[in-house]
Amino acid sequence: GGIITQTPKFLIGQEGQKLTLKCQQNFNHDTMYWYRQDSGKGLRLIYYSITENDLQKGDLSEGYDASREKKSSFSLTVTSAQKNEMAVFLCASRGDSYEQYFGPGTRLTVL
Amino acid sequence: GDSVTQTEGPVTVSESESLIINCTYSATSIAYPNLFWYVRYPGEGLQLLLKVITAGQKGSSRGFEATYNKETTSFHLQKASVQESDSAVYYCALGAGNYAQGLTFGLGTRVSVFP
Repeated sequence: GGIITQTPKFLIGQEGQKLTLKCQQNFNHDTMYWYRQDSGKGLRLIYYSITENDLQKGDLSEGYDASREKKSSFSLTVTSAQKNEMAVFLCASRGDSYEQYFGPGTRLTVL
Repeated sequence: GDSVTQTEGPVTVSESESLIINCTYSATSIAYPNLFWYVRYPGEGLQLLLKVITAGQKGSSRGFEATYNKETTSFHLQKASVQESDSAVYYCALGAGNYAQGLTFGLGTRVSVFP
């Protein structure tokens, strides 16, 4: 088995601030993902990466950057946090049968 | 694009009663997508409940079952007798087209089971 860890668990920022979320996995999976979930809504894909140093934009990539410097880690940066923004960011990695394994999430609040 | 529609919650059910959460999908990029049910228990992260990658097959886990029906493009989740510990938010999801891309999720169905 493996695990995905996300840091921090809670992130509070100011409007216009650049904020970075981190994700680590020990499954040794090639493909990793960042999703955003707003209250009462489904998950929306922000970025994904199929291997180290690869980055692919999802439907919601505007306003975000990502980095995959190692196979085991995948970071997401909110380039300019928007006031009143509140969402949960979920990191995932993909297994051999296309299922995805998720981390516990980072809850973002922008003041 | 691809889409998933599931029962709108919240759903309230008494312990030992049966539960069904409807899920229908539309996959424009592939004829036979992979289908999943995920669950988020209170205070926990999103976890895979069951998956079916072959049309016509049934998946099962923790007393839940779901059958991949390509004729009706459905993947309903059922349990014959629920327990209070089944209280959670359930998400139907689809994997299609480029498998490296993310899954397409439904909005989730919150289920509350009362003793």
